[in-house]
Amino acid sequence: GESVGLHLPTLSVQEGDNSIINCAYSNSASDYFIWYKQESGKGPQFIIDIRSNMDKRQGQRVTVLLNKTVKHLSLQIAATQPGDSAVYFCAEGEGGGADGLTFGKGTHLIIQP
Amino acid sequence: GAGVSQSPRYKVAKRGQDVALRCDPISGHVSLFWYQQALGQGPEFLTYFQNEAQLDKSGLPSDRFFAERPEGSVSTLKIQRTQQEDSAVYLCASSSGLAGGQETQYFGPGTRLLVL
Repeated sequence: GESVGLHLPTLSVQEGDNSIINCAYSNSASDYFIWYKQESGKGPQFIIDIRSNMDKRQGQRVTVLLNKTVKHLSLQIAATQPGDSAVYFCAEGEGGGADGLTFGKGTHLIIQP
Repeated sequence: GAGVSQSPRYKVAKRGQDVALRCDPISGHVSLFWYQQALGQGPEFLTYFQNEAQLDKSGLPSDRFFAERPEGSVSTLKIQRTQQEDSAVYLCASSSGLAGGQETQYFGPGTRLLVL
């Protein structure tokens, strides 16, 4: 069936380096993509989203890239900080996210001092 | 507070017991969602409300799961005759639901359910 998945379950980076978390999706009808950060014991926290009519969107220290040709989504975090340690989920939705989202399994980002 | 709140934060139930989980969405948010998150997994969609109308309940795993939002604000997820496989974190999210607007879903902290 159609699903959202992540390439790497764990990513370890040095503090201050840039992090790139990747995600593949297969539902061609999805038009809304979103990245969430989840810390232990907490609910998912919105980071950034992008609609299918865009291929790049930037926020504070984060950039999301969307490649619809190969159905690939990535999250770039600049100058990674200890507070960025968490599990990151990509999610996809149809109808601009007005209905339920489909989440991937998550990537655990570990920051090395 | 301004965010989504959920109660209780933790619930331990004996197998066969009924439980009720509450969600208070962000004030004014039209859309409300319930998700189930198993340990080490991403959240999985359960059901969705727009105001008091339940528009999608395709993710509810069995007829033991029931959700309601009678006045279009607070929602309750009820699980009857709980089973051990129901142990998970139950997340609630809300979005503004404005037509043509950004539909970002904002999540609450979740209720961690453990069925013994």
